[in-house]
Amino acid sequence: GAVVSQHPSWVICKSGTSVKIECRSLDFQATTMFWYRQFPKQSLMLMATSNEGSKATYEQGVEKDKFLINHASLTLSTLTVTSAHPEDSSFYICSARDRGMTNEKLFFGSGTQLSVL
Amino acid sequence: GESVGLHLPTLSVQEGDNSIINCAYSNSASDYFIWYKQESGKGPQFIIDIRSNMDKRQGQRVTVLLNKTVKHLSLQIAATQPGDSAVYFCAEKGKTGGFKTIFGAGTRLFVKA
Repeated sequence: GAVVSQHPSWVICKSGTSVKIECRSLDFQATTMFWYRQFPKQSLMLMATSNEGSKATYEQGVEKDKFLINHASLTLSTLTVTSAHPEDSSFYICSARDRGMTNEKLFFGSGTQLSVL
Repeated sequence: GESVGLHLPTLSVQEGDNSIINCAYSNSASDYFIWYKQESGKGPQFIIDIRSNMDKRQGQRVTVLLNKTVKHLSLQIAATQPGDSAVYFCAEKGKTGGFKTIFGAGTRLFVKA
């Protein structure tokens, strides 16, 4: 089955630094990837839609200058949390849609736990 | 706006019993619904999906029921096992807005041995 690899699985950083999270589709091409954020015991909140070769589409209330998204190829999207602060600490999850499939099924990465000190 | 919510935040069942997890959605324009299972510290795992032109779909030990009249979705798990313990999310995709999927609040399922 389709596999989405997300890296790193966890990261601890100092306040003010930037952190990059990678999301790769390993055995399929994804023109569209999605980035979610999840706080403890809460649901997944969609942050943005990452489109290959074009600008990402951000959900209302999500700062695009804070959460930089790059989708430079059909198998890789990156999320960079810039100038991270403790309130950015969260579980970040990416998902991807197989462009070769007609259904809307999404495949999810294993998530990245970000802790900002 | 769109919202997908759940009636029960937690559900505790005895091993071997059947589980039923419910979900209500508000966007009548949604045409595709999915149930995901999420274990602690992991990403969601696809369980089963259903389109709006269907009212029932069965998988291995799982069944999804869709009632468009009352905008209700349910997931039935037969012979619940300890490995089924997780948080379950319903999600929807509307006809507009591209392929983005909106998640409901989630239900934590506890399976007692």
